Amino acid sequence: GAVVSQHPSRVICKSGTSVKIECRSLDFQATTMFWYRQFPKQSLMLMATSNEGSKATYEQGVEKDKFLINHASLTLSTLTVTSAHPEDSSFYICSARPGLANQDTQYFGPGTRLTVL
Amino acid sequence: GDSVTQMEGPVTLSEEAFLTINCTYTATGYPSLFWYVQYPGEGLQLLLKATKADDKGSNKGFEATYRKETTSFHLEKGSVQVSDSAVYFCALSSGGSYIPTFGRGTSLIVHP
Repeated sequence: GAVVSQHPSRVICKSGTSVKIECRSLDFQATTMFWYRQFPKQSLMLMATSNEGSKATYEQGVEKDKFLINHASLTLSTLTVTSAHPEDSSFYICSARPGLANQDTQYFGPGTRLTVL
Repeated sequence: GDSVTQMEGPVTLSEEAFLTINCTYTATGYPSLFWYVQYPGEGLQLLLKATKADDKGSNKGFEATYRKETTSFHLEKGSVQVSDSAVYFCALSSGGSYIPTFGRGTSLIVHP
C-alpha cells in the first residue's frame, strides 16, 4: 500500500528555536497533504491543508506565522514550528491524499513527537 | 459542528475474546463513517468504512454497521488476537469536505 514517511520521528528542542518536520509520500504523488496535531488521549485536530504549489489553508485558531507549511512538490510537505515554546509540545501527524479520484482516501505518516524544553 | 464520541480506553481483553468499541456521531446530512487503526510506531491506516445507512464495512475480521437511527458505528470482532493490539479511531466526513473528524481513539490491549 501507499506509504507516507515523517522525519524526524522524535525531536527535542529548546524554547525559542525552530523545528522543521518533513512529510513525504514515498510511492505516490500527493496533490493534497494535511497536518494534524494530537494531544494525549485526545483526537487528531486538523491544523492545515496544503496543496502543491499553493498556500496552505489553516484551520481556525491555528497561527499561520507560527506553523509554517510548505508543499514544494507532489511528494514533500514541511511543517516548521517557529520560535517553539513548551505549549507546542505535541504529536504532529501528516497525511497525504493521492488525487481527486478517491477523495476520502488519506494515507497517514507515523507522526513526529515534539518536545520543547 | 460534526463530532465523534468513542468509548474511553484502554480496553483490555484476553485472546479470542469478543470485541466491541462503541462510536457515536453528530453530523449534518449523511456522513461517511470510518474506522482507522494505529499500530505502535506506525501511521493511521484505514480499517473499514461505510458510506450510507445500513452499510456494513468489514476488514480483517472487524465489522461495523452504519446505524442512522442510533447515529452509531460500533466496531466489532468476534475473536481478537494479540496482534490486534493498537489504537482505534472512529471518524466521519461530511459535506463534501472529505476531511475526517476523528474521535479520541480507543486503545486495545490483547493479552495472550
